[in-house]
Amino acid sequence: DAGVIQSPRHEVTEMGQEVTLRCKPISGHDYLFWYRQTMMRGLELLIYFNNNVPIDDSGMPEDRFSAKMPNASFSTLKIQPSEPRDSAVYFCASSLSYRVKYEQYFGPGTRLTVT
Amino acid sequence: DQQVKQNSPSLSVQEGRISILNCDYTNSMFDYFLWYKKYPAEGPTFLISISSIKDKNEDGRFTVFLNKSAKHLSLHIVPSQPGDSAVYFCAASGYNAGNMLTFGGGTRLMVKP
Repeated sequence: DAGVIQSPRHEVTEMGQEVTLRCKPISGHDYLFWYRQTMMRGLELLIYFNNNVPIDDSGMPEDRFSAKMPNASFSTLKIQPSEPRDSAVYFCASSLSYRVKYEQYFGPGTRLTVT
Repeated sequence: DQQVKQNSPSLSVQEGRISILNCDYTNSMFDYFLWYKKYPAEGPTFLISISSIKDKNEDGRFTVFLNKSAKHLSLHIVPSQPGDSAVYFCAASGYNAGNMLTFGGGTRLMVKP
């Protein structure tokens, strides 16, 4: 299996622009997670889906952030409008509910820089 | 309030010696704990886990110890190798948390040749 795929790997954008991050989970996995990693806050969960349905979005920082999972093989995290404080590495992860308990497989991340 | 804490941001160890990484948690509902390893420019990868019904789990050079009364777990790497140099994250979850993980802030391990 190719593992979790994220695109783009790097994104540089100007404040106020819309940013869309993409994720393809491992085939067959029924959970998908979006995380953000910063120096100040470490690795924090933003939102997660089960069978394409958002379960908990309490970690989404504000209304500028939105996430969708239109099908089992694709998810997006959108920031609109972007701000410099959104600069971070964003990870997508997936897991199987019935297999190794709680073991999540992470993608390589998208490094976002907002100037 | 951080529910999972790794109080040592970094650790330096000589090759061949033991590395001990520590993690503390506050939520008594946590019943499953994991360690992830992260290299630069890569996502975290699962290393080893332990259920709260155990106090030790071993996998090759890696052993995780759990002390439930102290709400403390540790990861031992013996012997340490330069390739082990990475950031290690402790994570925890509970029965009521679905598949959600709460991560610690990470500890950067440097193994010197």
